[in-house]
Formats: sequence, structure tokens, C-alpha cells
Amino acid sequence: GNSVTQMEGPVTLSEEAFLTINCTYTATGYPSLFWYVQYPGEGLQLLLKATKADDKGSNKGFEATYRKETTSFHLEKGSVQVSDSAVYFCAPLLSSNFGNEKLTFGTGTRLTIIP
Amino acid sequence: EAQVTQNPRYLITVTGKKLTVTCSQNMNHEYMSWYRQDPGLGLRQIYYSMNVEVTDKGDVPEGYKVSRKEKRNFPLILESPSPNQTSLYFCASTARANSPYEQYFGPGTRLTVT
Repeated sequence: GNSVTQMEGPVTLSEEAFLTINCTYTATGYPSLFWYVQYPGEGLQLLLKATKADDKGSNKGFEATYRKETTSFHLEKGSVQVSDSAVYFCAPLLSSNFGNEKLTFGTGTRLTIIP
Repeated sequence: EAQVTQNPRYLITVTGKKLTVTCSQNMNHEYMSWYRQDPGLGLRQIYYSMNVEVTDKGDVPEGYKVSRKEKRNFPLILESPSPNQTSLYFCASTARANSPYEQYFGPGTRLTVT
């Protein structure tokens, strides 16, 4: 069935380090793919998206590329900052058992950046 | 300011005492949904609504009810709360009912049932 697998955390990095958070999914077809971010004490907000194969979503220095061959959508950032400390959720738009589409959230990866 | 509001933000209650968590959005969005967030499980959808008077079960609807009498409001009702409903709850909305991806989330309601 449809599912999403996300790298488990927590992840702790030093400021200016390179970040990768892995995300893979299983689905029929080619779903739209999203990353959401949850800052401390807040609700989730959309970080970036990609709607077709080879698309690259980007925002706030983060990037993720839609890889249909590996069914992956890994999140990357070249130089993280303390303000990037948050929980990150991979969320493909998957078809439910009833045929409608809905976001299926991964378990979330908590990222902490140390100055 | 476009936003989704939830009330209360924090609630401690006892088993069996009915409660309602309110959700309101000011963006005229069609689609609204409720999620619960639990450690190691991510977000799981409880109920969703495609429009006024149209609601349907999500992945974990047991023990919850919802209503959508007006477009802006989507309250979550726990008729007889139990300790396993202790969780962080989020309401979300999006403009297009047939493309529920760019969701706007409320700030969350932390519920503790003792």
C-alpha cells in the first residue's frame, strides 16, 4: 500500500554543517511531494514542494529533488543555521483507499542546530 | 491576517467529560481537517471536510466527532474522552477541496486526559 518512510531523528548538527534528511515513499503513479516544517510551539507550514519527476523544490536555502527512479525526496541544505531547528515532515500526496488524495505525513525528523 | 485559530491551546480534563476543540479559518477555504500528532507516529488524520455539511473519516476517527455547519468553523468533539486521546491536535485548511496539499495549520491544542 501507499506509505512514506522518513529518516528517524533526532538529528543534531553544528551551525554551517550540511544537512540531509532522507524520505522515500511507496505509491502507484507519481504523487506530488512536499516537505512541511514545524517550529517550536507552532503548527506545521509548507516548506517546499515538487509536483513532477526531476522537479526541484526550494525555499529558505532548503532543496529537495523529485527522484522517481528511487521514489525519494530527500531534503538538503548546504549550511544550516540555529533558526533551522525544527521538526521536518515529508508528505507525499497519496491516494487513500477511498480514491481521494490526501497528504500522508512521515513520522517527522527533529533537527537541532548547535551554535 | 490569514490564519487558522484553535481553542483552547491547552486542556487538561478527566475521562468521560465531553469536550469540544474549536477551529476557525478566515480564508474562505473549502477543505478542513483534523490531525493528531503523537511521538513516533507523525500526524494522523482524524476527520476531514470537503465543504459545508460534508465530512468524512480519516485514518483514526474512533472516539471523535466533527461538524461543518459553516464554512469557517470545524469543531472537534470528544463525547467521552479517554487517556489514549491524550495528544497534540492540529486543525488545517486548504483552498481547494480536490487538491488538499498546501494546508494551513493552526497552532495546535495540547490535550491531556487523566
